Amino acid sequence: AQSVTQLGSHVSVSEGALVLLRCNYSSSVPPYLFWYVQYPNQGLQLLLKYTSAATLVKGINGFEAEFKKSETSFHLTKPSAHMSDAAEYFCAVSDARPGGTSYGKLTFGQGTILTVHP
Amino acid sequence: DAGVIQSPRHEVTEMGQEVTLRCKPISGHNSLFWYRQTMMRGLELLIYFNNNVPIDDSGMPEDRFSAKMPNASFSTLKIQPSEPRDSAVYFCASSAGVPYGLSNQPQHFGDGTRLSIL
Repeated sequence: AQSVTQLGSHVSVSEGALVLLRCNYSSSVPPYLFWYVQYPNQGLQLLLKYTSAATLVKGINGFEAEFKKSETSFHLTKPSAHMSDAAEYFCAVSDARPGGTSYGKLTFGQGTILTVHP
Repeated sequence: DAGVIQSPRHEVTEMGQEVTLRCKPISGHNSLFWYRQTMMRGLELLIYFNNNVPIDDSGMPEDRFSAKMPNASFSTLKIQPSEPRDSAVYFCASSAGVPYGLSNQPQHFGDGTRLSIL
């Protein structure tokens, strides 16, 4: 079964600094991977997704993630943090795989709370 | 376009009462997921449907929990009787789930129902 591990439940950065949120996955086949963001009192919103078309994926709000098969990683980055980036971020892996049966079930990591200081 | 709509947004009730949470998925989506989110346990998948049929309810914590999807545009999650430990935020999500994993679509989340059982 696939799984996702997010390293660091809390990350704190200064405004304008690099944001790096770590995600490692475990899957027996090439995975479909997602990053979601959750702002207070809201549901999860899709930031970006990896579906094997390109290893570097660009998402909304200036975020991007790079799929590294050799490291089983899908880390999320943003060159310059903004105060509005403060939120909780979730990495997720899908049960979908080429030729297999899938209903779009996602397995989520534990989440990383990003704090941005002025 | 309308997103996933959940109602009510907030529910406060006394222990032992029946609670019904409602969800309207995005039109055209054929997979629907119910999640529960707490500080202690994070985001948990309770049950999911495809084409209105329950596929996996192994995440439903107890027999007190039940979910139905009578048609493609409506689902309910019911707790009877409710207990204080059921207090959480409950999310509904939908996706254009496909029967075969040749492609993958993200899940779209509602804003959740914040449930408090006194």
